[in-house]
Amino acid sequence: QQQVKQSPQSLIVQKGGISIINCAYENTAFDYFPWYQQFPGKGPALLIAIRPDVSEKKEGRFTISFNKSAKQFSLHIMDSQPGDSATYFCAASSTTSYGKLTFGQGTILTVHP
Amino acid sequence: NAGVMQNPRHLVRRRGQEARLRCSPMKGHSHVYWYRQLPEEGLKFMVYLQKENIIDESGMPKERFSAEFPKEGPSILRIQQVVRGDSAAYFCASSPSQLSGNTIYFGEGSWLTVV
Repeated sequence: QQQVKQSPQSLIVQKGGISIINCAYENTAFDYFPWYQQFPGKGPALLIAIRPDVSEKKEGRFTISFNKSAKQFSLHIMDSQPGDSATYFCAASSTTSYGKLTFGQGTILTVHP
Repeated sequence: NAGVMQNPRHLVRRRGQEARLRCSPMKGHSHVYWYRQLPEEGLKFMVYLQKENIIDESGMPKERFSAEFPKEGPSILRIQQVVRGDSAAYFCASSPSQLSGNTIYFGEGSWLTVV
């Protein structure tokens, strides 16, 4: 099964709060899990990515947590800012076809000032 | 240091016409991917090409859609006899050779509207 399921569909957070977006996958061949940020009218931009050999990766205010046994991974945005308001997509691919990403349905994040 | 360039950014076509979307990958990138994003949905993989070769077209609709990446010039996604359901954003992405890892870089997209 190739699906990647993402939740929630939309999220409203106050400035300074923590935004958490979750994804679950089924295909055990997936071994690359990126998160993309997309602003209206723009293309997706890579935010952060993780491979299953680590359980957590942090870059600035963005952290990916990865649970291989549960086949789940999540994005945490600390100290959320109004400029973070965008649509976030999780994705997954395998080493044998790494550019063939399977995307989640997206989460619309709104950060109120 | 130009990124992935797509044109046109916006295209309006009447039902039955042809749409041609072009993509120039980042400098030094020889792998091109096309994705489609329907309104309120995530991106869906369509096709993966290298110069003069289609590597994986498992996401391409069986009819009316074709893609190429010639030895010279941009990659082209061609949609013949467009229908209203083809209205979507089409994104191109590129990457260097596989030796460089898994990161692919997206362009700004081409928004197709079929009227």
